[in-house]
Amino acid sequence: GESVGLHLPTLSVQEGDNSIINCAYSNSASDYFIWYKQESGKGPQFIIDIRSNMDKRQGQRVTVLLNKTVKHLSLQIAATQPGDSAVYFCAENHQAGTALIFGKGTTLSVSS
Amino acid sequence: DAGVIQSPRHEVTEMGQEVTLRCKPISGHNSLFWYRQTMMRGLELLIYFNNNVPIDDSGMPEDRFSAKMPNASFSTLKIQPSEPRDSAVYFCASSLISGETQYFGPGTRLLVL
Repeated sequence: GESVGLHLPTLSVQEGDNSIINCAYSNSASDYFIWYKQESGKGPQFIIDIRSNMDKRQGQRVTVLLNKTVKHLSLQIAATQPGDSAVYFCAENHQAGTALIFGKGTTLSVSS
Repeated sequence: DAGVIQSPRHEVTEMGQEVTLRCKPISGHNSLFWYRQTMMRGLELLIYFNNNVPIDDSGMPEDRFSAKMPNASFSTLKIQPSEPRDSAVYFCASSLISGETQYFGPGTRLLVL
């Protein structure tokens, strides 16, 4: 039968490829953005963040790009590994003192 | 740092019973958040506290749910009476201030029969 529930976008890549996960945000006033990784059976884990005064920020194997013109955020993972398989969430904050707003998530599946 | 601590990690109970979930935030963090995650609805914010004071509880499903934060190092989420539709993973998270990076606990998997 048909499954019910959230249908998260899925990205399937081969080990060693680069992955790009995208996120659109709605509030032009948002000034702080975060990417989280959630592995099966675990809580979301912080990966990388970026503030609105930046366009790009790099971490270890990960890069976050922010395009404020089109309200778009992306997470790039270099040389994707099987351990990168998880659900990835973007989150934004548009008002100081309020909670983050989380996106629905994207499932990344890495095959070796 | 030990990170955010949640207990119990798993809870199985019968419909109608009271369930209490516990959370210890990261020391020094001033904001604490309770989330519920299900396949149907994804990650939902239930309530959050700043400096032990509830700021926004609009995500709390109904009166059966209540949350307290008696001090900076402890919070509870209570469901009374529990129903099967409450079955989910409940996460607690904390941050230095709200709107900044949140650090999540491992979650409590609740199954209400």
